[in-house]
Amino acid sequence: AQSVTQLGSHVSVSEGALVLLRCNYSSSVPPYLFWYVQYPNQGLQLLLKYTSAATLVKGINGFEAEFKKSETSFHLTKPSAHMSDAAEYFCAVVWGSARQLTFGSGTQLTVLP
Amino acid sequence: EAQVTQNPRYLITVTGKKLTVTCSQNMNHEYMSWYRQDPGLGLRQIYYSMNVEVTDKGDVPEGYKVSRKEKRNFPLILESPSPNQTSLYFCASSLLGAQETQYFGPGTRLLVL
Repeated sequence: AQSVTQLGSHVSVSEGALVLLRCNYSSSVPPYLFWYVQYPNQGLQLLLKYTSAATLVKGINGFEAEFKKSETSFHLTKPSAHMSDAAEYFCAVVWGSARQLTFGSGTQLTVLP
Repeated sequence: EAQVTQNPRYLITVTGKKLTVTCSQNMNHEYMSWYRQDPGLGLRQIYYSMNVEVTDKGDVPEGYKVSRKEKRNFPLILESPSPNQTSLYFCASSLLGAQETQYFGPGTRLLVL
C-alpha cells in the first residue's frame, strides 16, 4: 500500500534557526503533495502544494518545500523560525486520479526562545 | 467568507446514543470528506462524497454513516457510538481534482463514555 512517512514526531528548534520537517512517500508514480499546518484548537490550513509544475514550491509564512523524485521526498523548510511557527505539520499525498488524501502522522514543531 | 462549518464543536455522549455531526460549506465544492484525527496516527479518512447522492468509504468507515442530499451539507452519523470513536473529527471540502486543495472545518471533539 502507498504510504506517507514523516520522520520525527517532535522537532524543536531555536527562534531564528532553520526549520526542516521531513516527509517521504512510497510510490513509483509521482503524486500530488501537500503540507498542512494545524495551530492549537484549529482546523488544518494549507501551507503549500506540489502539482508537477516547479519542483521547488513556495508557500505561506516563508515556508518552502522541494520535490525530489529520486529520493521520494518532499521536505518542508523555513530559513528562520518564529515563535508563531509552533504548530503541528502534516504532509499529505494524493496519487494519480485518486481523490483520497493520505496523511502522514504529523510533526509537532516547538520553537524555543 | 468562504468556510467549512461543523457543529457541535464539542460533544460528550454515552455508548449507544445516536448522534449526528453536521458539516456545511459555502464554496460550492463538489467534493466533501470526513476525517478523524488520533494522536500518532495523523488524519484518516472515514467517508467521502464527490457529488450529491454519491458517497464512498475511506480507510476507517466502520461505525459511521454519511449522506449527501444537498451539495453544501455532509453530515456524519454515529448510529451507536462506542468509546473507540472518541476522537477529533474534521470535515473538509474541495473542488473535484486530485490536485485541489481541501479546506477544513474547525473540528469536532467527541468523547464517548
